[in-house]
Formats: sequence, C-alpha cells, structure tokens
Amino acid sequence: GESVGLHLPTLSVQEGDNSIINCAYSNSASDYFIWYKQESGKGPQFIIDIRSNMDKRQGQRVTVLLNKTVKHLSLQIAATQPGDSAVYFCAETTGRRALTFGSGTRLQVQP
Amino acid sequence: DGGITQSPKYLFRKEGQNVTLSCEQNLNHDAMYWYRQDPGQGLRLIYYSQIVNDFQKGDIAEGYSVSREKKESFPLTVTSAQKNPTAFYLCASSAAPNTEAFFGQGTRLTVV
Repeated sequence: GESVGLHLPTLSVQEGDNSIINCAYSNSASDYFIWYKQESGKGPQFIIDIRSNMDKRQGQRVTVLLNKTVKHLSLQIAATQPGDSAVYFCAETTGRRALTFGSGTRLQVQP
Repeated sequence: DGGITQSPKYLFRKEGQNVTLSCEQNLNHDAMYWYRQDPGQGLRLIYYSQIVNDFQKGDIAEGYSVSREKKESFPLTVTSAQKNPTAFYLCASSAAPNTEAFFGQGTRLTVV
C-alpha cells in the first residue's frame, strides 16, 4: 500500500486497550476541530468533530477532549481493535479558512 | 452514491510536463480544496475555493493552478514550475468552510 508517513510518531497498543492520541494546536482563535483516520493509500475519513464552545464530545467508541487553555486536543478510542490501525490527524480552522492539519500519529494495534 | 471522485488513482508524467488532476463531487458542496501529502508530513493546503468562479491560494500554491467553472468540479494542474511534484494529492469538499470536509481517495502522482 501507499506510505502515508514514514517518520510519524507511533502509538502501539494491545487489542482491547484504550488508546489516547494527542494533538497540540497553535492558533488560539481556532473554533472548529476534527479528527480524521487515514488508512494506507486512502483518503482521510471523518471520525469526530468538536467546536470551541464544548470541552468534550462522544461518538461510538471515540471521545474528543478539547482544552483551550493549553491548546490541546485528544482523541480517545475505547476497546481498540485491529481495524483501528491507521494514521490519525487532527485538523483545525476558524472563520472561513480551510482546515489546517497536524502531522499525524500512527496507531498500531497488536493482536 | 454521493461522494468525491478523484481520477486517476495513479499518474505518471515526465519531468517538465504539465498534468491535470480531476476532482468531481456530487454532494452539492460550495467549498472545495486541494491538499498535498508527503511521507512524514500532514496534509498541506494548495488551493481552495469557497464558491464557483472564486479560489484562493493555500500554503504551497507555487507551481500549481486551479479553476472552478462548475460547482461540482475543481481540477488541479501541476505545472512544470513545481520543483518537486511527486506526491499524494487529495481533494476535499465541504458544505461550508467551517464544517466537516469529505475527502476523495487521492491521486498518486509520480514524475520520472
């Protein structure tokens, strides 16, 4: 398959464990944040989003936490499965700007 | 099925040639985007368009050109002025700039 990122930071977890992927952003004016999952050779897929008027949002097996004070975003994946193995990107924007992406984290799930 | 279609999936071109990457969406989205992805890096914005007949440069627009003559189409031309064009190119669209962007499956461009 295609190589999405040869030198990405990697998080390795055991199947069934919870995963936490972190992201720092620099623009204090950012008001919309998204997490994407990208499998090798494919386009990014939406996981969950959050606006700046919220601190936490939950989806199916995923939770996003936003700490505006320290400009930090995290993605928590419960009961991680082999199918969760991918590269995860956070992205942010404000106003009418296009999304700005972080550099990504590779999640490896060990069976 | 609604979605974004990029074509071709793989593209090979000789150095010095211009090449155009196709991106079509049937989601009725106003905003469309082109990103470039290199190994070890995140997605970098090349160009974006918020409405038909209007587009803005992103962070790495040099060596690229776009057009937005129709709402559903946003082709990207990689010109001979782009010094290192080999990369994975991703097109996306959204209903509005501050909402979820939907991505196509990408075009892998290799210049030989």
